[in-house]
This record gives sequence, C-alpha cells and structure tokens, in this order.
Amino acid sequence: GEDVEQSLFLSVREGDSSVINCTYTDSSSTYLYWYKQEPGAGLQLLTYIFSNMDMKQDQRLTVLLNKKDKHLSLRIADTQTGDSAIYFCAEIKAAGNKLTFGGGTRVLVKP
Amino acid sequence: KAGVTQTPRYLIKTRGQQVTLSCSPISGHRSVSWYQQTPGQGLQFLFEYFSETQRNKGNFPGRFSGRQFSNSRSEMNVSTLELGDSALYLCASSLAWGSSDTQYFGPGTRLTVL
Repeated sequence: GEDVEQSLFLSVREGDSSVINCTYTDSSSTYLYWYKQEPGAGLQLLTYIFSNMDMKQDQRLTVLLNKKDKHLSLRIADTQTGDSAIYFCAEIKAAGNKLTFGGGTRVLVKP
Repeated sequence: KAGVTQTPRYLIKTRGQQVTLSCSPISGHRSVSWYQQTPGQGLQFLFEYFSETQRNKGNFPGRFSGRQFSNSRSEMNVSTLELGDSALYLCASSLAWGSSDTQYFGPGTRLTVL
C-alpha cells in the first residue's frame, strides 16, 4: 500500500472549519508538508511541520502531528469557496529531497 | 522573486516520439526534482538533481532521463513515448539538497500522447 494515505473527499459549508487527515507509515520522516492544487495548476505549498513538533499554526491553518499514531491533520478555519481544491500531504525522509505524496483529498466548499 | 517556471505548458505528441521538458528553478535554488502526476498513480517521484548530479531516481524505465545545467536549470527527456506517459509533469526547486529544504513547485507541463 501507499506510504501516505488520505481520505478522498470532504464537503464543508462556507464559514465552517475543515479538517483534512493523513496517515503515514515511516517513523523516520523528518518533515511533513501540506500542498494545495487548484484545477489546471501546480502544487502550492501551504505549510509544513518538523517531526519533533506537535502543532503549528499559520493564520487560518493549523497542523497537528501525532507521532505515536503517525497521524497528521490540517485544519482550515473559516473555510472559503476559494479553499475548494485538492490537498496533498507529503513526507520527506532523512536523505535527499524526495517527497512521498498521499493520494490527495478533494475539498468542496458549499456556499 | 520569480517562481519556478516550466516550458512548454502544454504538449501533444504521438506514440514513439520523444519529448524534452524544461524547468527553471527559483533564483538561488540549486536543487531540482521532477514528479509525474496521473489520475491513476497520483504523484510519483521521477528524479532529483543537485549541482548537476542526479542524487536520487524513482522507479521509472530508462526512457525517462534528465539533466541539470550549471545555472541549475533542468531538463527531462522521455524517449519512445507511450500512451501511458500522458500526465502532468511537475518540477520543484529547493535551495540545496537535503531534508530541511522546502520545495516549491512550478505550474507543470501537461503532456498528451496520442
């Protein structure tokens, strides 16, 4: 199976919070990333967290990391229609720059 | 500062042809990685370059190759194209080679093989 797993789809109402979940299997991962992809576009880096951290907050984004369960989540506060996109989590290991991506979560924000 | 640029943005080729894609990293960035994105396989790592040397390679056939120039610009080449090579090819740049360097992606080149 994949090293990184995500749920396929999330629907949320505008103004609510969104929580996107990700699980990874390699405990040697050093950095974990969240990227956003809009239709026809490349990947936009949203935020990242180092493996020795539990939480990171950046404006509307909050990343939580549970190393014991190898679980990563991205919370988007006050979700807007412009947040509709596919969100990818990714891990990077000790050597090199190779990113291993999850399959992506499609987020649909309803007005 | 300009972002990662990729050219061309769109390509249509036929089976058996070969193609070359180009990536210019963010100014000052010396590491370039390439990824293939398809609906079926998702995002898969192709290879990464730093200081004109390939540092890591993904699980792709030898038809996929790349190189990096002294100005850090990179090209990837796919020979003897197959229908399954149709994909979005993404390039990412980072300052150096190592796990602490954040990667920034370009808009991608969409390749269609007919």
